[in-house]
Amino acid sequence: EVQLLESGGGLVQPGGSLRLSCAASGFTFSNYAMSWVRQPPGKGLEWVSLIRGNGGSTYYVDSVKGRFTISRDNSKNTLYLQMNTLGAEDAAVYYCARGGFNLFFDLWGQGTLVTVSS
Amino acid sequence: EIVLTQSPATLSLSPGERATLSCRASQSVSNYLAWYQQKPGQAPRLLIYEASNRATGIPARFSGSGSGTDFTLTISSLEPEDFAVYYCQQRNNWPRTFGQGTKVEIK
Repeated sequence: EVQLLESGGGLVQPGGSLRLSCAASGFTFSNYAMSWVRQPPGKGLEWVSLIRGNGGSTYYVDSVKGRFTISRDNSKNTLYLQMNTLGAEDAAVYYCARGGFNLFFDLWGQGTLVTVSS
Repeated sequence: EIVLTQSPATLSLSPGERATLSCRASQSVSNYLAWYQQKPGQAPRLLIYEASNRATGIPARFSGSGSGTDFTLTISSLEPEDFAVYYCQQRNNWPRTFGQGTKVEIK
C-alpha cells in the first residue's frame, strides 16, 4: 500500500527542539521530492520545506530558515524534519507530503501534532 | 511570495447545487495551480493539478479552469461528501503557497 506515516510530534517547551519522521512505503521513495506542510489548529495550510529525491537540494519558507532542517535517508525510505528554537507560531499539525517540486502534493500522511507550550 | 486569494470564504449550498470557487494569484503562476479538499480531522486530498487535470480517482463532477492569475474550481452537483474546505496551491514560485481556503457548507 502506498502510504506515508509521520511520527515524532508532541509537547515541547518554547525554545526547544523536536525531530519529526515520515516513513514512506509502496513507492520508490528516492524518485520523489518530499515536503513538509503544516496547519495550525483551525487555520490553513502552510508549506514548510522540500527536499529533492537525491537529497541534493533543499528549500524552506522564510519563517523557518536557520531553525528547521529537512533531510532524508533513501535507504530507510524516511523523511525527517529537525526543528530547533521552536516558538508558539510553530504549533501545528505537520504533514509529510509527496511532491512539491515538479509535481503537486499527491500523497499525504495523516499528520503529527506539535504543541509548543511551557 | 505569491499570494493566493480564495473567494468566497464560505459557500452555503444545498446538495445537488453547483459550486463555483475562485482563486486569484498576486502574479502569474502559469497553469501550475492545484486544488485540494480537506475534511475535518483528515489530511488534504489532491483534486485538480495543473489547473484543469483531475487527479486519480477524482469524480468527473470536479473540474478546474483558468491560467495566469485567475482560476476556478467547479463542482457541478454537490454530493453530501463534498462539503469540506477547499484550498488552492501554486508551485510556480518559491515558496510554495496555499490560499486561505473556501469552506463549502450545507445550507
